[in-house]
Amino acid sequence: DAGITQSPRHKVTETGTPVTLRCHQTENHRYMYWYRQDPGHGLRLIHYSYGVKDTDKGEVSDGYSVSRSKTEDFLLTLESATSSQTSVYFCAISTVWGQDSPLHFGNGTRLTVT
Amino acid sequence: QQQVKQSPQSLIVQKGGIPIINCAYENTAFDYFPWYQQFPGKGPALLIAIRPDVSEKKEGRFTISFNKSAKQFSLHIMDSQPGDSATYFCAASENAGGTSYGKLTFGQGTILTVHP
Repeated sequence: DAGITQSPRHKVTETGTPVTLRCHQTENHRYMYWYRQDPGHGLRLIHYSYGVKDTDKGEVSDGYSVSRSKTEDFLLTLESATSSQTSVYFCAISTVWGQDSPLHFGNGTRLTVT
Repeated sequence: QQQVKQSPQSLIVQKGGIPIINCAYENTAFDYFPWYQQFPGKGPALLIAIRPDVSEKKEGRFTISFNKSAKQFSLHIMDSQPGDSATYFCAASENAGGTSYGKLTFGQGTILTVHP
């Protein structure tokens, strides 16, 4: 798993509550990503980071924010969770600079918004 | 808007069969096409990848065929085994400089089941 830990692994929350998901890596790689996986949509990029305090939006960023104050941690926050944000969230890292660099994914966080 | 369309959604084959998963893309700026394999409860992992300057790439029992003019590519699994049962995702990216790396557009996924 390239030293990636996602927490929590499962979470159930209520509509309107804030939720923060954590991605922790042990190898100080620069590039980190948050994707969400939904049936019929594959994986879609939410936000990504190319260094401490350097983040940018992906394809489906509305309703999400991120922070990266340390190289090893990339946090994804749902400011006010909605049922449409029920999904499996994956953090990923790139270990090598370049387009060919494979993404290494964590094992995901399954989030249910009721 | 799904820029990479993948089919079929699910596929069942017998051991030794050759499942084929197809993907079509729209964005002609895409120039890198990886396939990811995902087992239940795990994140996807890179299986094999191709660039459009070649029409075919093989790695072990896995082959990508690429048709640039048709904007289509496919994954073939030779001599499939029950251990190949997983979800497969095709993906694509364009080279727009450093911050574009890792920004993949994925297909919808194919659930492959290989019966013993």
